[in-house]
Amino acid sequence: AQSVAQPEDQVNVAEGNPLTVKCTYSVSGNPYLFWYVQYPNRGLQFLLKYITGDNLVKGSYGFEAEFNKSQTSFHLKKPSALVSDSALYFCAVRPLSNDYKLSFGAGTTVTVRA
Amino acid sequence: SAVISQKPSRDICQRGTSLTIQCQVDSQVTMMFWYRQQPGQSLTLIATANQGSEATYESGFVIDKFPISRPNLTFSTLTVSNMSPEDSSIYLCSVVPLTGYGYTFGSGTRLTVV
Repeated sequence: AQSVAQPEDQVNVAEGNPLTVKCTYSVSGNPYLFWYVQYPNRGLQFLLKYITGDNLVKGSYGFEAEFNKSQTSFHLKKPSALVSDSALYFCAVRPLSNDYKLSFGAGTTVTVRA
Repeated sequence: SAVISQKPSRDICQRGTSLTIQCQVDSQVTMMFWYRQQPGQSLTLIATANQGSEATYESGFVIDKFPISRPNLTFSTLTVSNMSPEDSSIYLCSVVPLTGYGYTFGSGTRLTVV
């Protein structure tokens, strides 16, 4: 069975400071990993994904994530956070198989203060 | 990436009634999924919508409560039947395109049952 853990319910940072949202996963074999963002009263927007290759993945809005197989982690990062980055962030995983089902973490609410 | 039109965007319904949610995609897709996001919670997969056959339901979800149709590669409906206040959630459609690994989500249907 696959699962995702986002250990922090909330992350608070000041604008201009680095932002990190943590994600660890458990899956049989190699994973596909995803990050999504949800703004209030909106659907999920895709940020980035890891399929294979370079462990550092760059995505939308200046976000990046690093795949660490030994630590089974896929933390989301942004060097300089903006107030507009305040939202709910979800990490998701699916195994490298024909099963297309995504498993989502519980979500992390990011608040960036001016 | 695929563009999804999900309708209605929100509704307030009386308990005991049913609501049908539509998901229309602008291109052919392989997989279509329906998720539920209860207030303050993460996303939970309800079922995989299969073209021309019965949907595949996840544990805890049954066809009588959540009948799903998918008559072709670009359209699916989810019905929430005999609603109760516990069904108040955001319901989201998600698709996987014929090419690529990305998952696209609809903007969601915010359902309130009174």
